[in-house]
Amino acid sequence: DAKTTQPPSMDCAEGRAANLPCNHSTISGNEYVYWYRQIHSQGPQYIIHGLKNNETNEMASLIITEDRKSSTLILPHATLRDTAVYYCIVRVSGGSYIPTFGRGTSLIVHP
Amino acid sequence: GAVVSQHPSWVICKSGTSVKIECRSLDFQATTMFWYRQFPKQSLMLMATSNEGSKATYEQGVEKDKFLINHASLTLSTLTVTSAHPEDSSFYICSARSGLALTSYEQYFGPGTRLTVT
Repeated sequence: DAKTTQPPSMDCAEGRAANLPCNHSTISGNEYVYWYRQIHSQGPQYIIHGLKNNETNEMASLIITEDRKSSTLILPHATLRDTAVYYCIVRVSGGSYIPTFGRGTSLIVHP
Repeated sequence: GAVVSQHPSWVICKSGTSVKIECRSLDFQATTMFWYRQFPKQSLMLMATSNEGSKATYEQGVEKDKFLINHASLTLSTLTVTSAHPEDSSFYICSARSGLALTSYEQYFGPGTRLTVT
């Protein structure tokens, strides 16, 4: 699986958009971009994933660059409860995948 | 979405004793389950992968005789930490994957179990 690079930490004000970047310059054509987050002392939570088109769900939006070498997770109106470590993972789809996590980005949402 | 539970949510045990952690998929059948360990301020580290009815596959550096994994049914996997020592104190997280083709890429994570060995 391709490696990802994320900033170790970010912060944003409550109510503002949080934009979390992820670089994955060695991504292959059949690899998806997945985002998870982990709130302190809890298990990881799936957020969103995409292949090449931008995606949006009730939690967030995922913007993938045209060359697919980077992506941005957008939390449109961050709340204090969004404070967590966010993991960007690049992986193939399918049952043979074994999930591994990097260090992620620690997002702190402040009042 | 699918729900994965873990029991207990936290446990304190004495050094030298064994402790069992259960991971259950509540509303789907998990053909594959994963066990992770997470030390403070670190990322999740995969310990082992288990498929229902077969022996678990352990990651390099993980002692299979110390961390016993059983995946006897499609909804239950257990991790037993044998002869626990203080350095085994960690946050243990399980993850389950459905065998259904449409959702086989989805990882559903449990809430984690905090183990403290005194």
